[in-house]
Amino acid sequence: GESVGLHLPTLSVQEGDNSIINCAYSNSASDYFIWYKQESGKGPQFIIDIRSNMDKRQGQRVTVLLNKTVKHLSLQIAATQPGDSAVYFCAENQAGTALIFGKGTTLSVSS
Amino acid sequence: GAGVSQSPSNKVTEKGKDVELRCDPISGHTALYWYRQRLGQGLEFLIYFQGNSAPDKSGLPSDRFSAERTGESVSTLTIQRTQQEDSAVYLCASSLVAGKVTGELFFGEGSRLTVL
Repeated sequence: GESVGLHLPTLSVQEGDNSIINCAYSNSASDYFIWYKQESGKGPQFIIDIRSNMDKRQGQRVTVLLNKTVKHLSLQIAATQPGDSAVYFCAENQAGTALIFGKGTTLSVSS
Repeated sequence: GAGVSQSPSNKVTEKGKDVELRCDPISGHTALYWYRQRLGQGLEFLIYFQGNSAPDKSGLPSDRFSAERTGESVSTLTIQRTQQEDSAVYLCASSLVAGKVTGELFFGEGSRLTVL
């Protein structure tokens, strides 16, 4: 698999590889985190979320990891497929406040 | 359908004109958000409505921007005296919020605004 640094705007992987997309969040009081996928010309779609009382959550082919100590969130995609090509955004909020989105990472999957 | 509906899907206007963008959230969703997304950029928070609480307007970029929401239903984002830098996709999202616990946001397809 391929891991990126704190935040890179683009990530290119081969089909079948594992992808890791990273996100640094800013508010230490944030208690809810969420990843979205946005395909060209469409609105963002929910992938997976996690609350601050957890450090890992798994979905179908995706895993979100939360490290509150360094305020870091990551999205792992297993066996990346061409259909996973999109822009991925992380978002954070504190209860009752607006959900704020981070900078996106463009994932390109080649066959 | 049961999703978030936005209209118009595309709007071309002349500089200086006012525009209104409409959002129909998912029925029963108490939270409603507006975001702006410029070409190739991330989502910029504009305004957040949550039930009967005062809206969070902290993201509105200038006093030319305003938004209203009627109860827990339709919201309208109004941009007065449009400028070319207002050109963007305006995304609306709604969420079912239980108390102060945030849930998944469901996004509409957006309204693409082009100011000539």
